[in-house]
Amino acid sequence: DQQVKQNSPSLSVQEGRISILNCDYTNSMFDYFLWYKKYPAEGPTFLISISSIKDKNEDGRFTVFLNKSAKHLSLHIVPSQPGDSAVYFCAAEVQGGKLIFGQGTELSVKP
Amino acid sequence: AAGVIQSPRHLIKEKRETATLKCYPIPRHDTVYWYQQGPGQDPQFLISFYEKMQSDKGSIPDRFSAQQFSDYHSELNMSSLELGDSALYFCASSLATAGSYEQYFGPGTRLTVT
Repeated sequence: DQQVKQNSPSLSVQEGRISILNCDYTNSMFDYFLWYKKYPAEGPTFLISISSIKDKNEDGRFTVFLNKSAKHLSLHIVPSQPGDSAVYFCAAEVQGGKLIFGQGTELSVKP
Repeated sequence: AAGVIQSPRHLIKEKRETATLKCYPIPRHDTVYWYQQGPGQDPQFLISFYEKMQSDKGSIPDRFSAQQFSDYHSELNMSSLELGDSALYFCASSLATAGSYEQYFGPGTRLTVT
């Protein structure tokens, strides 16, 4: 049973435009979410996180939005750059610290 | 800045053999996590340690065991290897005492069982 879902396996965006990656979760007890970026043959790299007491967190070109009532979060990348091309994982932190990951979305930013 | 170190990066074993994967967390991090990522899948939590004590356990087979040593490095021991154990194994570390939930991942060990 997938508790964290990324329903889009891939996304293609033009350089300079906005990339929006979506994530849904089923457990209303989740209260901390993280986004990771992963290149092939490397480990996931932490990007940005958000606590459930907030609905938005921003770090440079990356903004994460959280809609608790809809159990939905999204990662916005503006402007998108070719170097952003990677697989993006959404994750929920559960009690004890372990992360539950979504299936990942492969972002391709075309020049 | 120092990152999480994993060794070996690649490992090829035959069925029924044993394997040991090592993880060296970021200095001063007190918590280590192990994850398994099968082909085309998301990382799945296996086990974690906080201050050298097992803190949580996920879908880890009984054939696997792990520990964290006094220098905070961790080892994942895998016995009676099966073809289905072929996967990327990631170690991550965090500083739980700082109230930080961010986990920092190593590059992974790619295990191939033939």
